[in-house]
Amino acid sequence: EIVITQSPATLSVSPGERATLSCRASQSVSSSLAWYQHKPGQAPRLLIYGASTRATGVPARFSGSGSGTEFTLTISSLQSEDSAVYFCQQYDNWPPWTFGQGTKVELK
Amino acid sequence: EVQLVESGGGLVQPGGSLRLSCAASGFNFSTYSMSWVRQAAGKGLEWISYISSGSSTIYYADSVKGRFTISRDNAKNSLYLQMSSLRDEGTAVYFCARVTGYYDSRGSYYGGLTDYWGQGTLVTVSS
Repeated sequence: EIVITQSPATLSVSPGERATLSCRASQSVSSSLAWYQHKPGQAPRLLIYGASTRATGVPARFSGSGSGTEFTLTISSLQSEDSAVYFCQQYDNWPPWTFGQGTKVELK
Repeated sequence: EVQLVESGGGLVQPGGSLRLSCAASGFNFSTYSMSWVRQAAGKGLEWISYISSGSSTIYYADSVKGRFTISRDNAKNSLYLQMSSLRDEGTAVYFCARVTGYYDSRGSYYGGLTDYWGQGTLVTVSS
């Protein structure tokens, strides 16, 4: 089973500043990594797939990079509506699909 | 608009059973694989089961194998999860999710992407 580790657990960022979230896989997942945004009481929302492709309707301030075992989600200019938990998921080697523990992004 | 709406959650005693449903709309349900994922309070997400579009391929996480059964009714656009012998650790929000695939710019196919999720239904296992 591929273990996914996210860091940091919590990130406090001022509005307009950049947020950088990390996701590390215990073995290579090629580019089969997705990022999701999850707000309380809502359905998780797909942001990025294929490590770097934005999903339909996702604002350009969200970008993903990386391949193999190291991945990054960047929010270039944090908006108030971006406060949420962000988690990554590998879909290279399944089952099982595995997830990171999540990074909570909050406004400073 | 793709919508997935879970129902059937509630309070159940340890050892009890519960059936979750997921109503799908806004897409051709019969052509997509589906999964169930759960999240216990303060914990990360855990994939628990997968079913292919025609129900020919089914997978379970080891943690639920032998106790949970996934099924679907394509005529009713519905996905189900029958849970039995529930344990305390089964307390979680249960999400249904659509599974899809795509081609990258080089024409390589990638399957297994979870693209749409429901809001979840809470299952509490407690005496």
